[in-house]
Amino acid sequence: DQQVKQNSPSLSVQEGRISILNCDYTNSMFDYFLWYKKYPAEGPTFLISISSIKDKNEDGRFTVFLNKSAKHLSLHIVPSQPGDSAVYFCAASRTGNQFYFGTGTSLTVIP
Amino acid sequence: DTGVSQDPRHKITKRGQNVTFRCDPISEHNRLYWYRQTLGQGPEFLTYFQNEAQLEKSRLLSDRFSAERPKGSFSTLEIQRTEQGDSAMYLCASSSIRRVTGEGYGYTFGSGTRLTVV
Repeated sequence: DQQVKQNSPSLSVQEGRISILNCDYTNSMFDYFLWYKKYPAEGPTFLISISSIKDKNEDGRFTVFLNKSAKHLSLHIVPSQPGDSAVYFCAASRTGNQFYFGTGTSLTVIP
Repeated sequence: DTGVSQDPRHKITKRGQNVTFRCDPISEHNRLYWYRQTLGQGPEFLTYFQNEAQLEKSRLLSDRFSAERPKGSFSTLEIQRTEQGDSAMYLCASSSIRRVTGEGYGYTFGSGTRLTVV
């Protein structure tokens, strides 16, 4: 049972434009959410997090939005850069220890 | 500190053999996690330690799998009698105890050990 879903396997965006990656979850008890970026042959790299007491968290070019009523999470990257091309995973947790990951979205930023 | 280190990076083994992987976490991190990732999937939780205590285990961790963290520093994950379905990337991550900031936190992952069972 996939508790965290990323329904778009891939996304292409022009350099300088906004990238929006989406994530849905089913468990209303989840209260911590993370986004990770992964390059081939490397482990995932932590990008940004948000807890359920907030609906937005921003870090430089990256902003995560949380809509608890819709059980929906999104990551905005503005402006997108070619170096952002990677697979992005969202993850959610109830305890802050065991995280459930989505299947990932492969982002390609076209120069 | 060079981050989370995993050894080996790749392992090819014959079905039925035992394998052991090692993870060295970031030194000041007291929590250590094992995840498994198969092709086209996100990482799946296996188990986690706080210091030397194994606090949580997934049902994915069958009795052929055992993880240890004897001195609360490095950890090992052993798979006995490997099967082809065990072929995956095994990821280790570490973190410090969650800061109560309301903003959450993230693990630091290692580069993983890719296991191929032939």
